[in-house]
Parts: sequence; structure tokens; C-alpha cells
Amino acid sequence: SQQGEEDPQALSIQEGENATMNCSYKTSINNLQWYRQNSGRGLVHLILIRSNEREKHSGRLRVTLDTSKKSSSLLITASRAADTASYFCATRYSGGSNYKLTFGKGTLLTVNP
Amino acid sequence: GAGVSQSPSNKVTEKGKDVELRCDPISGHTALYWYRQSLGQGLEFLIYFQGNSAPDKSGLPSDRFSAERTGGSVSTLTIQRTQQEDSAVYLCASSFSEKLFFGSGTQLSVL
Repeated sequence: SQQGEEDPQALSIQEGENATMNCSYKTSINNLQWYRQNSGRGLVHLILIRSNEREKHSGRLRVTLDTSKKSSSLLITASRAADTASYFCATRYSGGSNYKLTFGKGTLLTVNP
Repeated sequence: GAGVSQSPSNKVTEKGKDVELRCDPISGHTALYWYRQSLGQGLEFLIYFQGNSAPDKSGLPSDRFSAERTGGSVSTLTIQRTQQEDSAVYLCASSFSEKLFFGSGTQLSVL
């Protein structure tokens, strides 16, 4: 399977703490994206990191990419109860069908007030 | 402008019936995707449309599934002779660049 795999599957933290989620993938990529999903419905794009980038920031989000290890991490700093959601990494491969975005199974983050 | 719109938001059907799910993408978005998400699972790619090119149907799980996109805009996903294992949330997304914009999905329940 070309799917990315998130780790951990579930994470529970207190408000104000940082949350780190990891994603591993299997083949060369053009870019890796993180999405958020509330209540099992539509996903919302959070951040995109290209294969030639190592780190990217957006507000309280920090994404890193290590292409040698085929892994990425998403850090949410100073978490809030409203950050409770499922987070998915998605990879766009550099080979043939490079328009496809392949999603992992996600990490369920619970932020307790 | 409006986001990606999917209808119906919920559909309950009996096993063996046909269903049609509709997706209205964001105006101007040339790419349109259908994904399926079973309970607690990731997104399973179904089909991809790009402009006037032939669609990539490689993710359709069986010949009971088909999709079309008329005039490069609205798309319909049809499931014939529904089975209980077809129960899932069907998500549509559109794009004009690298990031996808998702609709809220159709929750399909096959009894």
C-alpha cells in the first residue's frame, strides 16, 4: 500500500500542552499535506510541505519533513479544546499517478479542558 | 464563493437499491475527487476527474460503482445494487492546485 501511516492512532492531552503526530510513507513524494477532520465529515487543509523543504510553520502548527526517513511530523503548540479532531497526512507521489492524494488512517486528538 | 456542496447529506437505502450521490465543486476547479471513508478509517480513493481528460477510475471497488462529471462541473457517483459493505461516508473534493477542498460528505447507510 502507498498509504501514509499516522502515529499514534489516538492522543489525549490537556489544554495548553503540545501535541505531536507523526506520519510515515513509502515512496518518493512531491509534497505532503496535513488535513483536519471534525466529526467524521469534510476535511480541511492545514499545511503543505514540499519534498525540498524541511520545516514549515503556520500559526500554532509546525510541520517537519525528513525525506531520508520518509516521515513527517505535525506539532500543534499550546493546544486548545477546539483542536480536538482527527488529523490526516496525505502524500502526493512523484511517480506516475502524481495527481492522487493518498491519505493515512489518521490520528484522533482529544484536548481536554 | 460557496464551497464544495454534496447532496444528500444522509441517505438510508435498502440492500439491492441503486443510489446517486451528487457533488457540486467550487467554480473554476478543474480537478474533482471522490473518496470513501468507512467508520474510523482513512480515506479510500475512488475516482479522479481532471478537465476533459479520461477519469482515473482505478479506485472504484467494483463494477457496481460508476461516476460521471457533466460539463466539467457537477459530478454524480452511482452505486448500483447496494450492499451493506457500501455503508460509509462518501467525500467529494475539488482542486485547482495542490490542495483539496472537501465537501461535508454523504453518509450512506445500507440496511
